[in-house]
Order: sequence, then structure tokens, then C-alpha cells
Amino acid sequence: EAQVTQNPRYLITVTGKKLTVTCSQNMNHEYMSWYRQDPGLGLRQIYYSMNVEVTDKGDVPEGYKVSRKEKRNFPLILESPSPNQTSLYFCASSALGEQYFGPGTRLTVT
Amino acid sequence: LAKTTQPISMDSYEGQEVNITCSHNNIATNDYITWYQQFPSQGPRFIIQGYKTKVTNEVASLFIPADRKSSTLSLPRVSLSDTAVYYCLVVPLMDSSYKLIFGSGTRLLVRP
Repeated sequence: EAQVTQNPRYLITVTGKKLTVTCSQNMNHEYMSWYRQDPGLGLRQIYYSMNVEVTDKGDVPEGYKVSRKEKRNFPLILESPSPNQTSLYFCASSALGEQYFGPGTRLTVT
Repeated sequence: LAKTTQPISMDSYEGQEVNITCSHNNIATNDYITWYQQFPSQGPRFIIQGYKTKVTNEVASLFIPADRKSSTLSLPRVSLSDTAVYYCLVVPLMDSSYKLIFGSGTRLLVRP
């Protein structure tokens, strides 16, 4: 089954404790993205990747890092999480045109 | 990227046809019109994409007039499970793989 998976699905952490949210796709897609969704602000793109070792900033990259060492994986790294990064995070992958979104990761930073 | 305007919310009843119109006055020649659906706490799901005239798939139809400054997503005979937020996006086809900008969307409520 074609899918995008994210882990963990839920995470509660404390300020400053580094964390990684994993994203994996099994569709051999070149393009992958990370979004965050907040009430009243909609979906905003954090980072995107056009291929292995090629990444670029989206609209809200501050406080986040990404890497793309393999085609199927695109982890999101929060080196020092802060409460304003409490949000619902979505990973997406695509070939051309249609983006496939993962189930989401709900992150709470206290 | 062209800005889009769509109604904040719409109400309908089961079995009715729902039409959601999106305005995109500054659409560029190489832009495509794409619609996504999102249920609460789930990732958006692609519905339909088009460039001009009419596109139909098993889920919806997309009507685009000749001037392409607006488009209408048509959902035939909606059910309760169609209650969701619907996003209209305008983006160059080559960018639509990775560079989507989501607006506020239209919150559709389908009543019994």
C-alpha cells in the first residue's frame, strides 16, 4: 500500500530537549515536504526536498532542520524545541502534481 | 504564487450538490488549479486538479471558465462524510509537487 508514515504520532516534550520526527514514504517519490498546522494559521511549509541531499527552506524554517540522506526518508529535527513549536506536523511526498500527506504528528512542547 | 479567495464556510444537506467557488484573479499562464480535502487531525488529501474547462473524476468535478480567474469545485450528492475543509490552490505544475501554499480553506458542514 502506497503511504507516508510518520513517527511518533504524538509527542510531549520539554523545552530544549532535542527531538526528531521521522517520515518515510514507499512510493519512490523524489519530492518531500514538511508542514505545520496551527489554528487560524492553516498549513505552512517548513522545509522541502527535491531529491537526495537537496533541501530548501519553506515559509517557516526557523528552529527546524531536515536531512535527506535516502530517497524514502525525510526526518524533521528540532534541536532545541520551544513552546511556540507546539503544533500538528505533516510530512508529504509527491512525484509530480499530487502530494501525499502522512497521518500527522501532534507535538506539545512544555 | 497566485492568491486565492474562497468562502470561509458552507452548509449543505445530505444528497445535495455542493459547489465551492474559488477566486484567483492573478493566476499565471502556467498555473494549475488544485483542490485538497482535509478531515480533522488528518493530512490533506488531493481531490482534483485542472488547467481549463472541465475536469471530472470519481470524487468531484472542477469547472474552470475561459478566463481562469475563478474555479468551482462541485461535489455531487454529498454525504455526512464529506464534512471537511476544502482548499483551493493555484500553483505552477512543476512546483505543485513540493511548494504548496494553503489558504484558510472552506469549511463544509453536511447536515443529515
